[in-house]
Amino acid sequence: DTGVSQNPRHKITKRGQNVTFRCDPISEHNRLYWYRQTLGQGPEFLTYFQNEAQLEKSRLLSDRFSAERPKGSFSTLEIQRTEQGDSAMYLCASSLYRQLPDGYTFGSGTRLTVV
Amino acid sequence: GDSVTQMEGPVTLSEEAFLTINCTYTATGYPSLFWYVQYPGEGLQLLLKATKADDKGSNKGFEATYRKETTSFHLEKGSVQVSDSAVYFCALPNAGGTSYGKLTFGQGTILTVHP
Repeated sequence: DTGVSQNPRHKITKRGQNVTFRCDPISEHNRLYWYRQTLGQGPEFLTYFQNEAQLEKSRLLSDRFSAERPKGSFSTLEIQRTEQGDSAMYLCASSLYRQLPDGYTFGSGTRLTVV
Repeated sequence: GDSVTQMEGPVTLSEEAFLTINCTYTATGYPSLFWYVQYPGEGLQLLLKATKADDKGSNKGFEATYRKETTSFHLEKGSVQVSDSAVYFCALPNAGGTSYGKLTFGQGTILTVHP
């Protein structure tokens, strides 16, 4: 297994455009998390999935953000009508529930720049 | 809610110097405590952990002791190397309920070690 894969690695978009990021977790992992990391800050929780079910969303996740994990495999995070404040590193992590809390594997992230 | 506070500002050291990065936390109950490390261009990796009071986590020459009385988990290394240059995050997991396993991070400390 090659770990958690995130694509693209970098994305530059104009304000107002929509963007979608993809995360491919470790195949047997049933938990998948999205975090956002802004410059000089630690990662902040956005949402997580248990298999295909989205069980929690942070209030940071405005209605412009939507995440899916169809069939409990890969996940996508879409941001509609991007704003400059959305510029950040978006991190994905996966785990087996029974290995929590220290069984996380993080991807390398997708860096979003909104111009 | 849970929170983690790390010492502010980047840390710059010469090789073989002693390192301390301070971390204090606020949490309900007695969660596990973690230190994560992020090397340039890579995903976050678990560096060490402690699961209960007075536990000492250690890995790669780094150590941290879970101090319940001072709600602290300071990271130390006796002799740093250039290869230790990275960003270090203190983190604690949510201990139960639907948020079980969700991580709260400190803001991160950038460590630069010069030869």
